[in-house]
Amino acid sequence: DIQMTQSPSSLSASVGDRVTITCRASQSISSYLNWYQQKPGKAPKLLIYAASSLQSGVPSRFSGSGSGTDFTLTISSLQPEDFATYYCQQSYSTPQITFGQGTRLEIK
Amino acid sequence: QVTLRESGPALVKPTQTLTLTCTFSGFSLSTSGMCVSWIRQPPGKALEWLARIDWDDDKYYSTSLKTRLTISKDTSKNQVVLTMTNMDPVDTATYYCARIDDSSGQYYFDYWGQGTLVTVSS
Repeated sequence: DIQMTQSPSSLSASVGDRVTITCRASQSISSYLNWYQQKPGKAPKLLIYAASSLQSGVPSRFSGSGSGTDFTLTISSLQPEDFATYYCQQSYSTPQITFGQGTRLEIK
Repeated sequence: QVTLRESGPALVKPTQTLTLTCTFSGFSLSTSGMCVSWIRQPPGKALEWLARIDWDDDKYYSTSLKTRLTISKDTSKNQVVLTMTNMDPVDTATYYCARIDDSSGQYYFDYWGQGTLVTVSS
C-alpha cells in the first residue's frame, strides 16, 4: 500500500495566520491527492480534490498544490472555524485508498 | 440533495459479526460512476478505508481486512450493507459510509454520513 505521511502532526496558530500542511506519498501518485477537514464529532469534509481543485462551497482561503510525492494544503488567513484536523488521501492506487495520519490545527 | 446515514448496533461482542447499513438519497447506485465506500476511524486515530461497491456491482476490499468483509447493495432500497466477521475490541471505531462519483476519474469522497460508533466489548 502507498503510505501517506503528513507533517506536522499538530500545529498551533493564530487567527489570521497563513498555515501550510504537508503530505508526502511513499511513491509518486501524480495528482491523485485529496484533502479533508474534520471537526470533533463530525464526518470529514472534502476541501480539495485532484491536488489543487477547490470543492464547491469551500472558501477560497484554502488551496492545494503539488504533484508526484509532495503536496501542500495552505490556509491563507486562518479563521476561527478552521481549527480542526486535516487529512490527506491518495486515490492513485484505487481501490486501495489510503489516508494520512492527520494534522491537528489548534489555536495558539 | 445527497445524504447518507449509517445504522447498526452500537455494541457488539468479540467474535460476533457486525452488520452496518448505509441508507442514502439524492443519487442512485445504478447510475454509471456512482460508488459507495465504508471508512472507519478508531477513537482519536486516523481514517481507514474498508470497502467499496460500484454501480456495476464491482466490489473492492481493504487488503488487510478482505477476509472479514462483505459489501453488498440493494439498489431498490438505496442501501449498502457492510458485514465484518470475528469482531475484536481493536475494531472499535466510528464507521462512515461515503459516496464516490468517479465520472471525473478522480476518486474522492464528496459526501459522507454522520458516522456510527461501534464498540466491541464483552
